[in-house]
This record gives sequence, C-alpha cells and structure tokens, in this order.
Amino acid sequence: NAGVTQTPKFQVLKTGQSMTLQCAQDMNHEYMSWYRQDPGMGLRLIHYSVGAGITDQGEVPNGYNVSRSTTEDFPLRLLSAAPSQTSVYFCASSYSKRNNQPQHFGDGTRLSIL
Amino acid sequence: GENVEQHPSTLSVQEGDSAVIKCTYSDSASNYFPWYKQELGKGPQLIIDIRSNVGEKKDQRIAVTLNKTAKHFSLHITETQPEDSAVYFCAAISTDKLIFGTGTRLQVFP
Repeated sequence: NAGVTQTPKFQVLKTGQSMTLQCAQDMNHEYMSWYRQDPGMGLRLIHYSVGAGITDQGEVPNGYNVSRSTTEDFPLRLLSAAPSQTSVYFCASSYSKRNNQPQHFGDGTRLSIL
Repeated sequence: GENVEQHPSTLSVQEGDSAVIKCTYSDSASNYFPWYKQELGKGPQLIIDIRSNVGEKKDQRIAVTLNKTAKHFSLHITETQPEDSAVYFCAAISTDKLIFGTGTRLQVFP
C-alpha cells in the first residue's frame, strides 16, 4: 500500500511550457485534490474531484486543468507555465466524497518556472 | 467562502513546556476541523481532528478544543519534545473543500 504517489519530485520549466504533474493513490479513495503551497500562504486548493468523471474548482484554479478518468489517478496540467506558478504542489486523497475524513498527502512536486 | 486564520506564525518553546496554536474560521456550517503536521520536505500528515459535535479531543500529548459559538479551535501540545518541531496547519471544511490556515512553525529547544 503506497498511499499517494506524486511524480516527478522536482521539475524546472521555462515560461510557456506545458507539463502534467502525476498523482496516483491505491487506497480506493473517492475524493482527490490538488494544493499549492507558497511561503506564508499555507496550502491553497487548486482543483478537487469527488469521484471518477467529476472535477470542480478550488480557491486558485486559473492556469490549471484536471481530469479524473479513473478512481486512482488525478493528474494536474499546467497549460502554459508562468513564473507565478513556481510552488510546491501536493496531491491528497480522502475516503469520503464529502471530504470530512482525514486526507492523505503525497510528498509533493517542487516546480520552478524560469 | 471559508476563511481560516491561524496564530502565531512562529512559536518557540523549551523542551517540556506546552505549546498552543489558535485558529478561527468564518463559515458557521463548517463541521470538521483537522490539524496537520508537516516536516521538512514531506507532505502534511494528520495528527488529530475534531468534529462539530465534540468540544474537546485528546490523543496522548496532543489535544484539540473547539468553540463553535466563537468559531475558533486550538491545538495544545503538552510536554513538548524536539521531534515536535515542524510546521502545523489547522483546517476547516466548507462545502466539500478543506481550507487551510497559513501555518505555525514550532521550534522546540532542548
């Protein structure tokens, strides 16, 4: 049972490039989400999904796309990277569709946009 | 939408002392309040949570209290140890979204 796995762990992009951050969980969790963490700002919700085929926006969705074709996977896409998207990105999953259960986090992807 | 404020941003204590971190929230419909600990280079890990039908919950040296009327909740760590040094986040749920506070960096000095 690996929990929540994020790849890659580190990435450097140039402005304008596109990229997909991968997230997979093996706990059969319905709820999955993406956060970004910036100094002094805590974790801010980007997008979330309450089940396969369903996604919704969080607090800071602009510049990011997501899809949920399977229960296990929830990739985050940056369509045209900007320096403001330099951050640490965390994926999380939770058993409950209502997200009122503990969330399990991956170890993050550290992304730098030059 | 929900807004969660967390204080203090940094906290330094001597080993063996107690540490208290406080959070306030704005959405009166919030009913789930978890606390996470984040160590350097790792993702946050749940350490304790409390639901709105409970006023206090304790797990060994860690306790959380909730005051729904005042819309605030607190984390209490007793007999702190150097391994308690980390960043702690409070959070509150609002319409399926978990909203986090800005974090408290706790340093425990031997």
